[in-house]
Amino acid sequence: GDSVTQKQGQVTLSEDDFLFINCTYSTTTYPTLLWYVQYPGQGPQLLLKVTTANNKGISRGFEATYDKGTTSFHLQKASVQESDSAVYFCALVDVQGGRALIFGTGTTVSVSP
Amino acid sequence: EAAVTQSPRNKVAVTGGKVTLSCNQTNNHNNMYWYRQDTGHGLRLIHYSYGAGSTEKGDIPDGYKASRPSQENFSLILELATPSQTSVYFCASGDWGVYAEQFFGPGTRLTVL
Repeated sequence: GDSVTQKQGQVTLSEDDFLFINCTYSTTTYPTLLWYVQYPGQGPQLLLKVTTANNKGISRGFEATYDKGTTSFHLQKASVQESDSAVYFCALVDVQGGRALIFGTGTTVSVSP
Repeated sequence: EAAVTQSPRNKVAVTGGKVTLSCNQTNNHNNMYWYRQDTGHGLRLIHYSYGAGSTEKGDIPDGYKASRPSQENFSLILELATPSQTSVYFCASGDWGVYAEQFFGPGTRLTVL
């Protein structure tokens, strides 16, 4: 079945550092790829969506890119702030399963001032 | 503002007891979902629903039942709770749009002793 792999479990940065998180996916259908962010005590919330139509999404200073050749998608931010400390999940829409989300295991990003 | 709410927010249950987790959404979305979140696994789909009266099995349905009595409400039922069901449970609502954005509730932390 469809799957998503997110290997970076923890990333520790200082303010103004560059953030890069990578995921790979596997699907037999047309992929819709998403990034969710989760702050402590809250549910995940949508950060960015990427489709093959535009290959890139941008929101709140974050940029998501997609590479069909390597079946990978990335989240990056040029200059992180302490407020970006959160858990970031990549996700793939399961078109066979009621458009549920297949999540990666999450990357905990900690940014120190 | 449209929202997804969950109750209770915290629950301690005993092994073999019955547990019901409730979810309410004011988004008027057709689809609703139950996920559980565990360290090292991200969020995994338990059950989902296309609308009132429908429930479908997700990726890890064993030991769980679901009920969708109305558009707004979706419950997750553990008939015989086990310690392995100790987790944080999230409810989400979404619709059939291209980007399949889902809106998540704040989560329920369940501990089964």
